[in-house]
Formats: sequence, structure tokens, C-alpha cells
Amino acid sequence: GQQVMQIPQYQHVQEGEDFTTYCNSSTTLSNIQWYKQRPGGHPVFLIQLVKSGEVKKQKRLTFQFGEAKKNSSLHITATQTTDVGTYFCAGQETSGSRLTFGEGTQLTVNP
Amino acid sequence: DTAVSQTPKYLVTQMGNDKSIKCEQNLGHDTMYWYKQDSKKFLKIMFSYNNKELIINETVPNRFSPKSPDKAHLNLHINSLELGDSAVYFCASSQRGAAGGYTFGSGTRLTVV
Repeated sequence: GQQVMQIPQYQHVQEGEDFTTYCNSSTTLSNIQWYKQRPGGHPVFLIQLVKSGEVKKQKRLTFQFGEAKKNSSLHITATQTTDVGTYFCAGQETSGSRLTFGEGTQLTVNP
Repeated sequence: DTAVSQTPKYLVTQMGNDKSIKCEQNLGHDTMYWYKQDSKKFLKIMFSYNNKELIINETVPNRFSPKSPDKAHLNLHINSLELGDSAVYFCASSQRGAAGGYTFGSGTRLTVV
């Protein structure tokens, strides 16, 4: 079955440093989604990427979808303490099919 | 005006008991889900309903029984609770084929003692 792997599992950074989490799928994806879960909270949808090689930005967050549509990354520039949480990627093989989540990257930001 | 609401937020119960978690969404979505999140934060799909029809039923013990009375509600009943059932259970909803991702409820933290 489809597997979505995400690295690193944990990342500790100093405030102001950059952060990147990587996501790899065992199969080609129709789309990839990213979610953020604050400590004690629930996953919140951030963005969806659908096109090969697509790059989208949300303020300090940059999302990329690989050319082969099997990998993706989330990069945060100049982290802030408000960025703390677990970031999940999740992929679908076809639109409307099962959404498979990666294991998540837990980000800690030291002030 | 909460989009996906689930109750209760916390549930502490003894082994062997039966409990239910309720979920309601007011987004007009046609698909609802139950996810289990363990202590390592891994999100595992349990069930999915589309317009009240079961479409995903993962390898979950048959002590877990979902029920969708209408497309805005998806409840989860658990029989004979075990220690290993302790986790956070999230309800979510989406509109099939539409962009915008899943909307999650705030979760139910189940502790079995």
C-alpha cells in the first residue's frame, strides 16, 4: 500500500534559524497537503499542492512539490516561537482517494 | 459556529467499559473520518463515510463501530475498552474532489485505566 515517509521526526532550532521538513511517497501522488498541529491542538490544513514542480509561499513558509510528484518539502524561514508544533504532509494517489499522512515532524523553537 | 465539533473532549474510563464519541460538522461536507493519534503523534485512519456510506474501514478491531445517521454526523462507539485504546481520536470532514483539505475536530482524549 501507499506509504508516506517524513523526515526528520524531531527538529530543535533556535529562534531565527530556518527549518525544513521533507516528505517522500512510495507512489506518485495526485496532490499533497500540509497540516500543522500545535501542542495540545488538532491538525490544521495549511496548503494543497497539485502541480508537478509547484512552489507556493505563505509568508515565511515555502512549500514545494517535486517534479515526479513523489516528494515535497516545507521550509520555514527565520523560525518564531509561534511556529512550534508538528507538521504533517499527507498525500492522495487520486483526487478523493484515501489521504495518507506522514509521521510528522515535531518542531521545537528555543527563544 | 464550530465547523467540526466532537464530544466529549476528555474521556476517562475503566477497562471493559463501552463508550461513544460524537462528531458533527456544519460545513456541508459529504465525507467524514475518524483518525486515531497515538503518543508518537502518528495519525492513523480508522473509518471514512461518504454520504452515510462506509468507504474506508481500516484494520480496526470490531470493538470499534462507526455510525453515520446523516452526512453531518459520524459517531464512534467502542465496546470492551482496552488499555491500548488510550489515544486521541480526531473526527474530520472534507468535500470529496474539492481543494481545501480536511477540517479536523478538536479531538477526544481517551484514557483507559
